[in-house]
Amino acid sequence: GQQVMQIPQYQHVQEGEDFTTYCNSSTTLSNIQWYKQRPGGHPVFLIQLVKSGEVKKQKRLTFQFGEAKKNSSLHITATQTTDVGTYFCAGHYGQNFVFGPGTRLSVLP
Amino acid sequence: GAVVSQHPSRVICKSGTSVKIECRSLDFQATTMFWYRQFPKQSLMLMATSNEGSKATYEQGVEKDKFLINHASLTLSTLTVTSAHPEDSSFYICSVGGSGANVLTFGAGSRLTVL
Repeated sequence: GQQVMQIPQYQHVQEGEDFTTYCNSSTTLSNIQWYKQRPGGHPVFLIQLVKSGEVKKQKRLTFQFGEAKKNSSLHITATQTTDVGTYFCAGHYGQNFVFGPGTRLSVLP
Repeated sequence: GAVVSQHPSRVICKSGTSVKIECRSLDFQATTMFWYRQFPKQSLMLMATSNEGSKATYEQGVEKDKFLINHASLTLSTLTVTSAHPEDSSFYICSVGGSGANVLTFGAGSRLTVL
């Protein structure tokens, strides 16, 4: 079946440092989505990438979708304490969503 | 996007009792709702896909007789954890992603603790 892997599992950064999480699918994706879950909260949709090689930006966040539509990355520039949480990628295969294990980001002030 | 309400947010029950969790789509007619379970510091695991007016589709390894799902209308799906045991303690989250809505909108989640 479809598998979505994500690294790193944890990342501790100093405020102001950059952060990147990588997502890899075992098979080609229809699209990929990213969600953020704050501690104690529920996942909130961030973005969807559909096209091969697509790059999208949201302020300090940059999302990329690989050419083969099997991998993706989320990069945060100059992290802030508000960026704390777990970032999940979700691979969309037909009607199904498969979540990666998530990357838990801690930002030290 | 859709607005999803989930209730209760927290529930504590005794072992052997049943617990019902409601998921409502407030502004979107959801033909499909998804139920996830999340253990502490882990990812979301899809339990079942709830289909309005028909039987839910359960993921492999999820007991359909233990986790009863009812999706009687386009705005309400319920998950009943029957004869709950401590190992059923978890964070249960529903989401909406109906026809044409390619994005998952999650409810706030229900944290179940079984004593």
